[in-house]
Amino acid sequence: EAGVAQSPRYKIIEKRQSVAFWCNPISGHATLYWYQQILGQGPKLLIQFQNNGVVDDSQLPKDRFSAERLKGVDSTLKIQPAKLEDSAVYLCASSSTAGRIEKLFFGSGTQLSVL
Amino acid sequence: GQSLEQPSEVTAVEGAIVQINCTYQTSGFYGLSWYQQHDGGAPTFLSYNALDGLEETGRFSSFLSRSDSYGYLLLQELQMKDSASYFCAVPRPLNRDDKIIFGKGTRLHILP
Repeated sequence: EAGVAQSPRYKIIEKRQSVAFWCNPISGHATLYWYQQILGQGPKLLIQFQNNGVVDDSQLPKDRFSAERLKGVDSTLKIQPAKLEDSAVYLCASSSTAGRIEKLFFGSGTQLSVL
Repeated sequence: GQSLEQPSEVTAVEGAIVQINCTYQTSGFYGLSWYQQHDGGAPTFLSYNALDGLEETGRFSSFLSRSDSYGYLLLQELQMKDSASYFCAVPRPLNRDDKIIFGKGTRLHILP
């Protein structure tokens, strides 16, 4: 089965610029997650979707980050304007269950460098 | 609050056995997961323990003790390709939806 697809793989921008990341989850997976992973740390959940509804976005910096999940499938994460501390890998993941999560499938991530 | 503690680094020799520990503090608990991440790669699922005891999958085993809020990942017959970061993770109940919270990860170094 096809895995979680993410693009772009790498992105370099200057601070105060905008950037967008795209994710296509595994077919049929209702739950989609965006994680931020700073070098040397574990993934930190930014936002979780169940179909096209937001389940949790408590750790999403809403003044600059936004995310949407179109028709309950693809998702985009946007940062506007970017700050230096946003430099990280942005991981998208999906899972097939929403109530009892046992396994997440991750994409390869987008490595963002903010200069 | 929620917290997961695991050692930041562990070093072992090729062919040996290594244990990576994880202790957790959560307000609700469903189980403990382990993920492996190679440098530049995506985390990949290794195991999930919902009940106490040992789960074995090939060279990797995972153990859970709910009474001790403790678990570990055991890697046997270490190979150089096992050099990676290993994360324990617990789902955190949120209303009727769960989300996985990850520890900071343990970097495993394998010496030839």
